[in-house]
Amino acid sequence: SQQGEEDPQALSIQEGENATMNCSYKTSINNLQWYRQNSGRGLVHLILIRSNEREKHSGRLRVTLDTSKKSSSLLITASRAADTASYFCATALGGSARQLTFGSGTQLTVLP
Amino acid sequence: EAQVTQNPRYLITVTGKKLTVTCSQNMNHEYMSWYRQDPGLGLRQIYYSMNVEVTDKGDVPEGYKVSRKEKRNFPLILESPSPNQTSLYFCASGRRNQETQYFGPGTRLLVL
Repeated sequence: SQQGEEDPQALSIQEGENATMNCSYKTSINNLQWYRQNSGRGLVHLILIRSNEREKHSGRLRVTLDTSKKSSSLLITASRAADTASYFCATALGGSARQLTFGSGTQLTVLP
Repeated sequence: EAQVTQNPRYLITVTGKKLTVTCSQNMNHEYMSWYRQDPGLGLRQIYYSMNVEVTDKGDVPEGYKVSRKEKRNFPLILESPSPNQTSLYFCASGRRNQETQYFGPGTRLLVL
């Protein structure tokens, strides 16, 4: 069953702008992860935020988590054409990789 | 190089002809999993394995089989493929006590 739902489904921005993607989920989670997928390729792990964390940074990425609203956002600052990809949130119910459930993704296009 | 490999990368077959998609990882991961990705549906888990000889159904196991005879390999078997199994398939692996998953490059399957 699909736990996370990303919003928007598609996003198109100019290079240098910030991109924000949102993820909502339904049940309590142990952690939430964001993955990136370049066209037709495998997913690559970007960042993980645990249920007791509210914000996390990694380079140009900033992730927030609001467990009361069951939502998360991924912000990519100063976007580049190479950031063009699909971005998926994945929720983990437990502390292992076994129970990871992926959303349907946001397609980000960064125009040069 | 640490990686998950899948073979073949592309496959066209006909209804009813048994096929196997291989998956291998060189990171000594206990956990391995198969997903299928379809437009608008995100990634759906087919089967997963927590260790050698231990496999379990995911969300969409019908029509698929798996085996885990060795730690590094986790083949996906379609005994009698049907057109509704046309999809993009991903294998993933991870450590038993960690949440991050590492994905293979994908296998694009077309069943005629």
